[in-house]
Amino acid sequence: GQNIDQPTEMTATEGAIVQINCTYQTSGFNGLFWYQQHAGEAPTFLSYNVLDGLEEKGRFSSFLSRSKGYSYLLLKELQMKDSASYLCAVRDWPGRMDSSYKLIFGSGTRLLVRP
Amino acid sequence: DTGVSQDPRHKITKRGQNVTFRCDPISEHNRLYWYRQTLGQGPEFLTYFQNEAQLEKSRLLSDRFSAERPKGSFSTLEIQRTEQGDSAMYLCASSSPGPPRADTQYFGPGTRLTVL
Repeated sequence: GQNIDQPTEMTATEGAIVQINCTYQTSGFNGLFWYQQHAGEAPTFLSYNVLDGLEEKGRFSSFLSRSKGYSYLLLKELQMKDSASYLCAVRDWPGRMDSSYKLIFGSGTRLLVRP
Repeated sequence: DTGVSQDPRHKITKRGQNVTFRCDPISEHNRLYWYRQTLGQGPEFLTYFQNEAQLEKSRLLSDRFSAERPKGSFSTLEIQRTEQGDSAMYLCASSSPGPPRADTQYFGPGTRLTVL
């Protein structure tokens, strides 16, 4: 089966650091994505990991451990505009070139940044 | 490159009516996906096109749903005999040709469907 778990809500203070965890159990794995989604808007791409380790992109970093089925998104120097939902998604690709690279999403973590 | 666009942004319809949504992917993106998102949940995959060929459909896509991508560019998603359970945000995403490692899906703003 497909199962992706992330906390429902988190609260943090402006200027602080927050870590959003994601665990997954999927039948196929070909990379893990993090998307940001503001209310009523489209998901926007933040980061992608396919190998174990840390990927850093400005204030955002994402970590992957494939053996543990675990990832986290780290947000530094939080700003009020970072208040949004953060979606963890696994790319499920069975290995055939005519297959989709569909994403299996978690339910999202709603982050509230307070002054 | 203006991003993925979707039309309409909002649709309110009565139960039993048919609705059609349009998605225009990023130009030169040959891969196109439709997802559905309900409140408080992540997007769920519905169907996938590679150029004009519909190569994968989710079990979520009942017989009342049909999708097309006639010339390998824009796509339409039609829902016949809508039900209240169809109320959701319908998201379209596209990605460029290439191996999985290079594939990043970019989402449109979505069409929010409300079935009364």
